[in-house]
Amino acid sequence: DIQMTQSPSSLSASVGDRVTITCQASQDINHYLNWYQHKPGKAPKLLIYDVSHLERGVPSRFSGSGSGSGTHFTFTISSLQPEDIATYYCQQYNNLYTFGQGTKLEIK
Amino acid sequence: QITLKESGPMLVKPTQTLTLTCTFSGLSLTTSEASVGWIRQPPGKALEWLAHIYWDGDKRYSPALKSRLTITKDTSKNEVVLIMTNTDSADTATYYCVHLFEAARFNFWGQGTLVTVSS
Repeated sequence: DIQMTQSPSSLSASVGDRVTITCQASQDINHYLNWYQHKPGKAPKLLIYDVSHLERGVPSRFSGSGSGSGTHFTFTISSLQPEDIATYYCQQYNNLYTFGQGTKLEIK
Repeated sequence: QITLKESGPMLVKPTQTLTLTCTFSGLSLTTSEASVGWIRQPPGKALEWLAHIYWDGDKRYSPALKSRLTITKDTSKNEVVLIMTNTDSADTATYYCVHLFEAARFNFWGQGTLVTVSS
């Protein structure tokens, strides 16, 4: 099984801050990595697919990248907005589907 | 636009079988590459993929739960059903029906249904 490890598990930041979340795969998953936003009481929402492609309608302040190793990935919010408060998950699809444990983002 | 809606019991007793139904619109499971499945989230925990069924009847299951899960489809009703046997408290979770796009990403989700396993 492929394990996905996110860090940090929680994060507090101010409006306007640049926020970065990392996701480490237990083995090479190529570019098979997506990111989701999950707000309480709502369904998760796909934000980024295939490491760096923005889903249609998602604001451009969200972005994703990979180190090229196929194991280390980064999700960034360039300027945090109040509506970005949520838990964020990475997900691999190299071998079936596995999610990271989530990063809970709060406003400072 | 694809919409999915989950239905099923809110409460089941330990050891009982849980049956969840996903009713969807905006897609057909007779269309090549179409796929619908299930993901759950126990309270305070992470998302966990459970199972998927494809347009051609192919099925995929979480290895950890494979022995307890069965997924089926009824294309005439636009429904996908998940059956989970021998439930226990660890199966208490919000269960989401999802559309899997290109066998890669979950781009449409139902609102979820909370199932509690308790005596």
